[in-house]
Amino acid sequence: KQEVTQIPAALSVPEGENLVLNCSFTDSAIYNLQWFRQDPGKGLTSLLLIQSSQREQTSGRLNASLDKSSGRSTLYIAASQPGDSATYLCAVQPTGTASKLTFGTGTRLQVTL
Amino acid sequence: GAVVSQHPSWVICKSGTSVKIECRSLDFQATTMFWYRQFPKQSLMLMATSNEGSKATYEQGVEKDKFLINHASLTLSTLTVTSAHPEDSSFYICSALDRGDSPLHFGNGTRLTVT
Repeated sequence: KQEVTQIPAALSVPEGENLVLNCSFTDSAIYNLQWFRQDPGKGLTSLLLIQSSQREQTSGRLNASLDKSSGRSTLYIAASQPGDSATYLCAVQPTGTASKLTFGTGTRLQVTL
Repeated sequence: GAVVSQHPSWVICKSGTSVKIECRSLDFQATTMFWYRQFPKQSLMLMATSNEGSKATYEQGVEKDKFLINHASLTLSTLTVTSAHPEDSSFYICSALDRGDSPLHFGNGTRLTVT
């Protein structure tokens, strides 16, 4: 059974700092990995999707890497802003199961002024 | 871009009543929709996979008679929590699949409180 873990569970940083969120998964047979953002009481916003054949994806200040063999992904946020405060979730889609995602435990990020 | 609308966004009901949550894909046809449940400060847990025109597939431990799922059209799936109890209070989120190779699109979730 796939298990997805995110470290740290919570993180507080001052505005402007660069930060790294970690995601690890136990079964490397994945189709893709996604990073999502969730604001309190809201649904999910997809940030980045990395196919299993890719090593990284970038969108603006966000960069996600994937090391499938070691079961790890990182989300790098550059020059953090208070508006980045949210919970960040990673999710893996296993091979052979159409979009049946397994979510990580999430990292609650707070960016302070 | 693709939008998934979920309604209601929050609902409070009395114990023993049933509540229906709707999930609509607004600008695409979704042959498959997924229902997730999220407890406070926890991650999303897949409850069931809903396929248009067929019975839903439930994850282990999810009571299909308690959580009724209907996917009668390519743009609408509903989740009905029957005979709700306080332990059913949770955040329910749906997602819809546009194409097999596209990311999932998520609704904004429904906060259910059973008193």
